Amino acid sequence: AQSVAQPEDQVNVAEGNPLTVKCTYSVSGNPYLFWYVQYPNRGLQFLLKYITGDNLVKGSYGFEAEFNKSQTSFHLKKPSALVSDSALYFCAVRAGYGNNRLAFGKGNQVVVIP
Amino acid sequence: GAGVSQSPRYKVAKRGQDVALRCDPISGHVSLFWYQQALGQGPEFLTYFQNEAQLDKSGLPSDRFFAERPEGSVSTLKIQRTQQEDSAVYLCASSEKSEKLFFGSGTQLSVL
Repeated sequence: AQSVAQPEDQVNVAEGNPLTVKCTYSVSGNPYLFWYVQYPNRGLQFLLKYITGDNLVKGSYGFEAEFNKSQTSFHLKKPSALVSDSALYFCAVRAGYGNNRLAFGKGNQVVVIP
Repeated sequence: GAGVSQSPRYKVAKRGQDVALRCDPISGHVSLFWYQQALGQGPEFLTYFQNEAQLDKSGLPSDRFFAERPEGSVSTLKIQRTQQEDSAVYLCASSEKSEKLFFGSGTQLSVL
């Protein structure tokens, strides 16, 4: 079975400060890891993914995430948060090749304070 | 269209009614997924199609749930004899290679 834990319900950060959204995962074999963002009344949008290679992956809107195999984590980061980054962020995992079933975390509400 | 389209956007059903939710994926996308998202939770996998073949339906919660994609494009999720616990947002997603999913805005189902 595969699962994701996003331990914080809400993350508050001042505009211009670094933003971190935490994610840990559990999966058999090599993980495929993803971050999606959901704005109000809109569908989930892909931010970035880790499949293989460099542990630091860069994605849309200035976001990046670091894969840490020993800690089974895939935290999302942004050096300087914008008010427009306020949204719901979901981490997701699936086992490697041949498995198409994504397991999502419960999501983290990010609030960027002007 | 440019994205994944789902209809209706909102659906209110009386308990015991049957409902049908439609998904128009991005043209040419082979893979299609249905997810169920309860209030305050992340999406939960329901079923997966590759073209017209339903390759994984292990997430369907009961035999009241049925999905089809007969021509490998549009898909319909049908729920028979709806129950209050079926109230949720139903999300459809499509992709080319099952790595990056494109989601629709969802259908919010309320069962009274």
